[in-house]
Amino acid sequence: EADIYQTPRYLVIGTGKKITLECSQTMGHDKMYWYQQDPGMELHLIHYSYGVNSTEKGDLSSESTVSRIRTEHFPLTLESARPSHTSQYLCASSPRGSSTDTQYFGPGTRLTVL
Amino acid sequence: EDQVTQSPEALRLQEGESSSLNCSYTVSGLRGLFWYRQDPGKGPEFLFTLYSAGEEKEKERLKATLTKKESFLHITAPKPEDSATYLCAVQGSSNYQLIWGAGTKLIIKP
Repeated sequence: EADIYQTPRYLVIGTGKKITLECSQTMGHDKMYWYQQDPGMELHLIHYSYGVNSTEKGDLSSESTVSRIRTEHFPLTLESARPSHTSQYLCASSPRGSSTDTQYFGPGTRLTVL
Repeated sequence: EDQVTQSPEALRLQEGESSSLNCSYTVSGLRGLFWYRQDPGKGPEFLFTLYSAGEEKEKERLKATLTKKESFLHITAPKPEDSATYLCAVQGSSNYQLIWGAGTKLIIKP
């Protein structure tokens, strides 16, 4: 059973606000990911981390930043939210040492920027 | 360029009517092909990983198969609770990131 948590589940904020989306996992996984998903569209990778103090940008250009100070925690921050940031944000994790990257997902955060 | 295409975009079936979902892919050096189920407003739930052509995996009413160019998710005698969007993703040897399809929305009518 995957134990990966995201808060908040839903967030409605005004333009220009700074927000942090939280993601935590209790499985001891080294790898963690943030995806953006719009209705009916593919998941797009925006950030990933292979361990503590390791973060990389994904294929999708993003104005967000991430940090990985603890193995279990991978927060995503938007310094100044804009309506174009309205989307579903999904956090995932996977264990190290596997030849393939089976990822386990949290429930997601639905962000609406007015 | 690695690519995943899922078809159809949406599929409506009567309860008990078996069918298949398709995932076509191009990737350099397949490491794995993944199937996920996603319910509305939730994160994807892992179903299967397939590693090589000819491999098959089953879980309840679902069976996933793999060839060198595509994967099928066969659903046998589906029930309304099988309604969801089914996502396919591939991982190649040159890029460890998963490449995702847009999904097939499956609706099972009672």
